[in-house]
Amino acid sequence: GENVEQHPSTLSVQEGDSAVIKCTYSDSASNYFPWYKQELGKGPQLIIDIRSNVGEKKDQRIAVTLNKTAKHFSLHITETQPEDSAVYFCAASRGRDYKLSFGAGTTVTVRA
Amino acid sequence: DAEITQSPRHKITETGRQVTLACHQTWNHNNMFWYRQDLGHGLRLIHYSYGVHDTNKGEVSDGYSVSRSNTEDLPLTLESAASSQTSVYFCASQDLSSGELFFGEGSRLTVL
Repeated sequence: GENVEQHPSTLSVQEGDSAVIKCTYSDSASNYFPWYKQELGKGPQLIIDIRSNVGEKKDQRIAVTLNKTAKHFSLHITETQPEDSAVYFCAASRGRDYKLSFGAGTTVTVRA
Repeated sequence: DAEITQSPRHKITETGRQVTLACHQTWNHNNMFWYRQDLGHGLRLIHYSYGVHDTNKGEVSDGYSVSRSNTEDLPLTLESAASSQTSVYFCASQDLSSGELFFGEGSRLTVL
């Protein structure tokens, strides 16, 4: 099955700086790569996703990049704010109607 | 508004007891999933269903079962609870047009 590895496990950044989280996957048939954000005491929520026919996608302060050859994808958060503090999960699947495999998560702390 | 609800939100039980966690969604989604969240392991898939009367094992299915008698509900049963099953459990349903998973608020289970 799919194996998704995520690094780092924790990340502390100064407010206003950028944060980068990296993931690798093992299944070459995977073509859908979403990112979820989990705030304390809540379930994860989708923040952005990318499909294999796209190399980069942006949505305001967040962006994702995908390198299918190397089987890795990354989340970039620019101009971090206190509300960006959360646990972030990357995931991969063979399609948007297929089960997702998640990484172990990254706890991001934004220091004021 | 459509939603996904889990119950109970918190439960303490004893080793060997049977426990059922309920999950109910009102989106009419065919795909539903159960994950467990443990520190250092992220979200691991327990069981999933692609429609009524369909159930499939995930990566950590031992000791768990599910049934899907209607579209709205996917209850998760621990036949004989073990201390290793102490965890936070998340149910999710999937929008097939986008691939997005909608998670419940989680059920925290403690097995003593």
